[in-house]
Amino acid sequence: GAVVSQHPSWVICKSGTSVKIECRSLDFQATTMFWYRQFPKQSLMLMATSNEGSKATYEQGVEKDKFLINHASLTLSTLTVTSAHPEDSSFYICSASQGQLYGYTFGSGTRLTVV
Amino acid sequence: GQSLEQPSEVTAVEGAIVQINCTYQTSGFYGLSWYQQHDGGAPTFLSYNALDGLEETGRFSSFLSRSDSYGYLLLQELQMKDSASYFCASDLTDSWGKFQFGAGTQVVVTP
Repeated sequence: GAVVSQHPSWVICKSGTSVKIECRSLDFQATTMFWYRQFPKQSLMLMATSNEGSKATYEQGVEKDKFLINHASLTLSTLTVTSAHPEDSSFYICSASQGQLYGYTFGSGTRLTVV
Repeated sequence: GQSLEQPSEVTAVEGAIVQINCTYQTSGFYGLSWYQQHDGGAPTFLSYNALDGLEETGRFSSFLSRSDSYGYLLLQELQMKDSASYFCASDLTDSWGKFQFGAGTQVVVTP
């Protein structure tokens, strides 16, 4: 089945620094990937749609200058949290799909803690 | 906009059957998906209903009624490993892709 690899699985960073999270589709190509954020005991909230070769589309309320998304190839999308603050601490998850019948495969998630 | 409502928690014993309902209000609707998430883990795809009716996959089944804006996930022969959060999710566009998720239902399976 489809595998989506996400790295790192967890990261602790100091307030004010930037963190890059990678999302790779290992055995298929994904022109579109999605980035979600999940706070403890809450649901997944869509942050942005990552489009290969073009600008990402951000959901309302998500700062595009703070959450930089790059989708430079058909198998890799990156999310960079710039100037991270403690309130950015969350579980970040990416997803990609081989097609409708397969559903969406989620990466293993990245737990970000900003101290 | 879209909203999806599902119960916050369900508790049942091993071997029992649990039904998790999901009602939705949408300006457009393209299908209902179900995902399972264990604590600390990523969501895993369970099923997708684009058309009315029942989809069966092993112990899990999912149902959709477009006319009632309603769907459910049925978990049969519950096992301890089924203790997890279950999310219904609706497509937000007609190009299979981005979802809005319900708040999730915590299923607790007891011995």
